[in-house]
Amino acid sequence: GAVVSQHPSRVICKSGTSVKIECRSLDFQATTMFWYRQFPKKSLMLMATSNEGSKATYEQGVEKDKFLINHASLTLSTLTVTSAHPEDSSFYICSARDHSGRSSYNEQFFGPGTRLTVL
Amino acid sequence: QQQVKQSPQSLIVQKGGIPIINCAYENTAFDYFPWYQQFPGKGPALLIAIRPDVSEKKEGRFTISFNKSAKQFSLHIMDSQPGDSATYFCAASSRGGANNLFFGTGTRLTVIP
Repeated sequence: GAVVSQHPSRVICKSGTSVKIECRSLDFQATTMFWYRQFPKKSLMLMATSNEGSKATYEQGVEKDKFLINHASLTLSTLTVTSAHPEDSSFYICSARDHSGRSSYNEQFFGPGTRLTVL
Repeated sequence: QQQVKQSPQSLIVQKGGIPIINCAYENTAFDYFPWYQQFPGKGPALLIAIRPDVSEKKEGRFTISFNKSAKQFSLHIMDSQPGDSATYFCAASSRGGANNLFFGTGTRLTVIP
């Protein structure tokens, strides 16, 4: 149980295009989902917290217009990187919290990540 | 400011050895301390987690030791295997802090056969 998927696992795009990454909780409902960015050999950096049906809360320094987050249902959150540039190339990871009571209230389940390369 | 400090940055042990990874925190409101294992190109996977009301927790070959007064916690891997070679992250969160996870900087463990 508590499986989180991401799609695509890997994407290569041209500079200036937009890329959408999907994060799905497969066997539980996730009121809250998180988006992280990870550079090579570095730790996870929280970008934003998304709550179903409301606007995402972005961390300081993360551009809201650059990284659009939508959490339209209890099992799906999307991250759209708009007008992507080479510096946006990174490993993007989502996580979700299971509020059903099966797991600890602050336990997060992570997706497998999406490798974005902007040429 | 790094909320959770982790050391060492990298660690090499022989098969069967017991690598120890240490983390320290300052925020006394933290009440949940998980450890994650990450393989290259994969997302982090929860290994084991502890709360401040216990000083030790064991799950299989993995043990967390927790020292509330020192605000430190550590991960011990018993009888380490080459398959344990991965990056390990400690983290902390608090119920009152939107439950956001604050991650350590990671430890790259290599277990030599």
